[in-house]
Formats: sequence, C-alpha cells, structure tokens
Amino acid sequence: GNSVTQMEGPVTLSEEAFLTINCTYTATGYPSLFWYVQYPGEGLQLLLKATKADDKGSNKGFEATYRKETTSFHLEKGSVQVSDSAVYFCALRAAGGTSYGKLTFGQGTILTVHP
Amino acid sequence: GAVVSQHPSWVICKSGTSVKIECRSLDFQATTMFWYRQFPKQSLMLMATSNEGSKATYEQGVEKDKFLINHASLTLSTLTVTSAHPEDSSFYICSATPSGSFTDTQYFGPGTRLTVL
Repeated sequence: GNSVTQMEGPVTLSEEAFLTINCTYTATGYPSLFWYVQYPGEGLQLLLKATKADDKGSNKGFEATYRKETTSFHLEKGSVQVSDSAVYFCALRAAGGTSYGKLTFGQGTILTVHP
Repeated sequence: GAVVSQHPSWVICKSGTSVKIECRSLDFQATTMFWYRQFPKQSLMLMATSNEGSKATYEQGVEKDKFLINHASLTLSTLTVTSAHPEDSSFYICSATPSGSFTDTQYFGPGTRLTVL
C-alpha cells in the first residue's frame, strides 16, 4: 500500500536558519505530493504541492521538488521565521486504484523556531 | 477562504455513551467530506469518506457500526462514536472538498479532542 515517511522531530532552529524536513514515499504509479502545515489551534492548511516528477512546489518561501528517482519530496526553506513554528505533514494522493483521491499522511514533524 | 469548522472542539464522556461530532463547511458546499483520526505523534489515518446523500465508505479496519457517519446536507457531516470506550480517545479531524473540485483540494477542520473515561 501507499505510505509516507517523514524525518522524526521535533526540529528546533534559530531564526534565519536553513530548514530541511525529509519526506519519502512509497506508492504505485505517479501520485501527487503535498505538504500541509498545522499552526497551533488551527486545521491543516495546504502549503504546497507537486503533481508530476521534477515539479517544484513553492509557497511562502518554502519549496519542495518531486523526485521520482529517489521517491522523495523534501521541504526546504532558506531562512525560517518564528512564525513558521508549526507541525508539517507530508502527504500523497494516490494516482489510481482503490485508493484514488485519498490522502496518505506522514507522521508530522514539529518545527520550533526561536528568536 | 474556505473554512471548515468542527464542534465540539473537545469533549469528555463516560465509557458506554455516544458522542456526536459535527463538521461544517462554512462558506462552500461540499459533496465529499473525509474523517480522519490522529493519535499522539502519529499521522492522520483516514477513517471514512462521506458523500452527501449516500452511505459513507469506510477504510479497512474501521467499524461501521462504531463510527456512524451521516452527510445529510452539502455543508454538514456528522461522526457519531457509539458506545465509546477509552481506546476511542483520540483527535478526530474532518476535511471537506468543495463541490466540483478534485479531492486534492481538501480544507481541514481544527479537530475534536475526544477523551473517554
């Protein structure tokens, strides 16, 4: 079946540091890949997505590139801010079969950014 | 933007009682809603897909009679945990897809914390 594995957290960084959160996946075919962010007390929000190999999703300074050869979708940001403190979830949407349209999530990575 | 609410945000109940959780799309109609369960430090696990006007589709291993889902209107889906037990304690999250949108456009509610004593 489909699965998503994220690097374990929590991740603690100082403001303006470089961020990488690793995400790898297992799926048949060509799934779509997503990063969601959950701020304290709020629901998950779509951060960025990529729907095919070599696509780069970007938003709010965050980027992730769909790497088919390494089955990865690592999240990066060049300079984090305190306001980026949240839980980040990597997810995939199956391309077909009985899981078509459903999201499979990683376990989430807690990011804390200190001033 | 699209907003999804859940009510209540947290609930504590006694073992053996039933609890109803509501999921509402506030500013859009949603033909499809999803219910997830999240354990501490674990990922969201899809429980069921709720389609307006039809029976919900449950994921493997999820008890249909335990977790009753009703999607009676385009803006409301409810999850009822029947005869709740301590092992049902969890964080329940819903999401909604605007009618006519593909399911990668899911808007999530803030979640409901259920504690069964």
